[in-house]
Amino acid sequence: AQRVTQPEKLLSVFKGAPVELKCNYSYSGSPELFWYVQYSRQRLQLLLRHISRESIKGFTADLNKGETSFHLKKPFAQEEDSAMYYCALRGVGDSWGKLQFGAGTQVVVTP
Amino acid sequence: EAGVTQFPSHSVIEKGQTVTLRCDPISGHDNLYWYRRVMGKEIKFLLHFVKESKQDESGMPNNRFLAERTGGTYSTLKVQPAELEDSGVYFCASSLIAGGVYNEQFFGPGTRLTVL
Repeated sequence: AQRVTQPEKLLSVFKGAPVELKCNYSYSGSPELFWYVQYSRQRLQLLLRHISRESIKGFTADLNKGETSFHLKKPFAQEEDSAMYYCALRGVGDSWGKLQFGAGTQVVVTP
Repeated sequence: EAGVTQFPSHSVIEKGQTVTLRCDPISGHDNLYWYRRVMGKEIKFLLHFVKESKQDESGMPNNRFLAERTGGTYSTLKVQPAELEDSGVYFCASSLIAGGVYNEQFFGPGTRLTVL
């Protein structure tokens, strides 16, 4: 069965400190992995996806198939990064885009 | 472009009552998805429409939930009768038809349903 695990419910970091949000998955095949973010009073939005291999708002995420992980990292956290972050998976072959989400990690960046 | 809209934003009902949630996707988006987040748990897929057809309803919890998308535009999700465990935030998302390529899903603001 496919599963997405985000072990941290809450991550509190100081502004300027590095932040890493962990995401592990289980899937019998090659999935597509995503990070979604929901800022306060805003809707859920796509932050980045592993196939694009780009950095968005200073965040990067590398898909490690050996460790089945897709951790999200940013070297210097900013106050505006405070939000709820969800790791999500889509099975290859499921071309219609149904997403499976982790439980989410609340990030709080304090000055 | 208003994006995906959902109505109502919040609904409080008593156990046993009926509630209908509505989602208006972005114009031109044939894919429409419903998801639900129950307190403290992950966002879970409920079902997926392609135009007016149900492509996948494997996530629907039981037959108290009925989703429709008449005419392939807006969609409704009816819960009848509502139970306490139905409380949560219901999200709708839409995307373009892809042909094997994943297109970004755009999410609505969600409807917070509270069943007392």
